[in-house]
Amino acid sequence: EVQLLESGGGLVQPGGSLRLSCAASGFTLSSYAMNWVRQAPGKGLEWVSGMSGSGGSTYYAVSVKGRFTISRDESKKTLYLQMTTLRAEDTAVYYCAKKGDDYIYGRLGFDYWGQGTLVTVSS
Amino acid sequence: QSVLTQPPSVSEAPRQRVSISCSGSSSNIAKNAVNWYQQLPGKAPRLLIYDDDLLSSEVSDRFSGSKSGTSASLAISGLQSEDEADYYCASWDDSLNAWVFGGGTKLTVL
Repeated sequence: EVQLLESGGGLVQPGGSLRLSCAASGFTLSSYAMNWVRQAPGKGLEWVSGMSGSGGSTYYAVSVKGRFTISRDESKKTLYLQMTTLRAEDTAVYYCAKKGDDYIYGRLGFDYWGQGTLVTVSS
Repeated sequence: QSVLTQPPSVSEAPRQRVSISCSGSSSNIAKNAVNWYQQLPGKAPRLLIYDDDLLSSEVSDRFSGSKSGTSASLAISGLQSEDEADYYCASWDDSLNAWVFGGGTKLTVL
């Protein structure tokens, strides 16, 4: 059974850093593209970043480019999102989402999602 | 302001049919597949439709998707109270090199 479990959220001051983790089970990380999607309180979904199955391609939303870094550790079966220079507008629930194939884009959607971890950026 | 445009809300009576639109452009919907997600209150999103009109596994066939040009639609027939949720369309945008979502549509079953 595919499972995704996010952790690492919490309260952080503006300008601070945080690293989110997504523990994956039930599938091989390197066989699928993985993504981070966030949702600000009471707002819609916003794609943040994605990594191809091969790990050779990474993409970022304009709003986080240069501040966030997506990575993974296959030995730990974990996807990460390193977030730096955090702003109030980064406050959101962050979801880890698996794509149905190993391409960042393409025909298939995000077929499995974690339950999310809340990041609050506030002084 | 979302790249893909959806109506903020729709409502319809039980057992009726409702359609949710998603408007995009030549850099996203016109060239790339559209996916639809359902988000029940307090829950993570769930994939309903992928590749414009293909039903995800274990999704009721009351849900269907279609696309024409720069627009896509999600239709739900035989509405049930359990269908009350937020619905999002999404597509890859070739200009932004990013996945883009619609702003979401809140479905109310009257």
